[in-house]
Parts: sequence; structure tokens; C-alpha cells
Amino acid sequence: GAGVSQSPRYKVTKRGQDVALRCDPISGHVSLYWYRQALGQGPEFLTYFNYEAQQDKSGLPNDRFSAERPEGSISTLTIQRTEQRDSAMYRCASSLGSMNEQFFGPGTRLTVL
Amino acid sequence: KQEVTQIPAALSVPEGENLVLNCSFTDSAIYNLQWFRQDPGKGLTSLLLIQSSQREQTSGRLNASLDKSSGRSTLYIAASQPGDSATYLCAVPDVDSSASKIIFGSGTRLSIRP
Repeated sequence: GAGVSQSPRYKVTKRGQDVALRCDPISGHVSLYWYRQALGQGPEFLTYFNYEAQQDKSGLPNDRFSAERPEGSISTLTIQRTEQRDSAMYRCASSLGSMNEQFFGPGTRLTVL
Repeated sequence: KQEVTQIPAALSVPEGENLVLNCSFTDSAIYNLQWFRQDPGKGLTSLLLIQSSQREQTSGRLNASLDKSSGRSTLYIAASQPGDSATYLCAVPDVDSSASKIIFGSGTRLSIRP
């Protein structure tokens, strides 16, 4: 079956622009997670959802970052007024339930010029 | 707050050797631990998930052990091959916050020399 997919795979934007990153989880997976990964580091938790409910957003760096999962499937991570420090790999993962094995997508490489 | 440390940060060994990667965590009240593999420019692949009630988990040439009380896990790779070259990450739940917030180590970058 299909794994977790993310789009776009690469995004280059100018400082100050808004970007929207999309995650399509494995079908039937209740839980969906967003992470950010800097070069040479492990992924850093941003937020997660069970169905459409955002259960924890403690990892979002500031109020320019937001995420939604309106129908309990596809999720969008939005970064408003991007800054150069937002440049990173953004990864999405999904799992059957909140304590199950997490499966990751290929990531979106965001570059803010 | 849960902290995860992986030692060594990088490792280079000749093909065929058996090797051990180490992961330590500060809060032992975890319900599971997961090992991942990351290839350059690619996503993370789940290798093994060990539940807190288990002491080890095996998949092919990989064996992961978990010692909750000491806050340690090891990933043993037998008969290493060049295709095993990748970064290996371990991850555990941040038990002080939500059950699903997992904390990653920085990884061990493994290189297997032919």
C-alpha cells in the first residue's frame, strides 16, 4: 500500500512569503505528526493530531506556524511570513494510534531566501 | 524533560564486522523505543519498535535491546554490509508531555567500507 506522501518535495520561497506544506498519511492511520529536522540532527517534534483534533502543538516555534487536519486525513502545515531560519526539512509521520509505530514521509525541503 | 543521546556520532567499519550502536535516554518511564534508519536525502525508515515490556526485538541481521531501568538501548548489526551505510536514529516518548511526542537522538552516522 501507499506510504506517507508529502508535497511539495522541495520549496524555495522568498522571505516574507507564506508557504503551505501538505501531508497525506497512510490510509486508516488515526495519528499524524509534524517534525522539523535540521542538518545533522534528529527530527524535532512540532505538533500532532488524532483524527482532526490537534492534540499537542507545543513544538510549534511561534505563532507564524500553524497546522490543520480538517477531515482527519490530509494535513497542512502553514508557515506565515517565512524567515531564513525557517529553512529546514519538514517531515510528516502517521501511525495507527498515538502509541503505535510511526511511519515517515519523504519530507519537504524548505529553503527561504 | 526527556533527552536522548546517541554514541558514537559517527562510525566507520570494514564490511563483515558486527557492530553496536548505543542510545541512552534520561527518563526511563517510556512505553516504547523506536529505531530508525535515514539515508541521505531520503525519509526515515522504521527498523524496530520495542515495547516497554520487551527486552529485545529482532529483524533479520538487526537486534535491538532495551534496558529501561538504566535508560539504555543498543542496536546490534550483524555481518555488516555496505548497504547498511546510513544514519541510525533512536526515539523515545517525552513522557512528561503528551504520550505521542517523541524525542529523537542526533543519530549515529554509519559507514561500512567494502
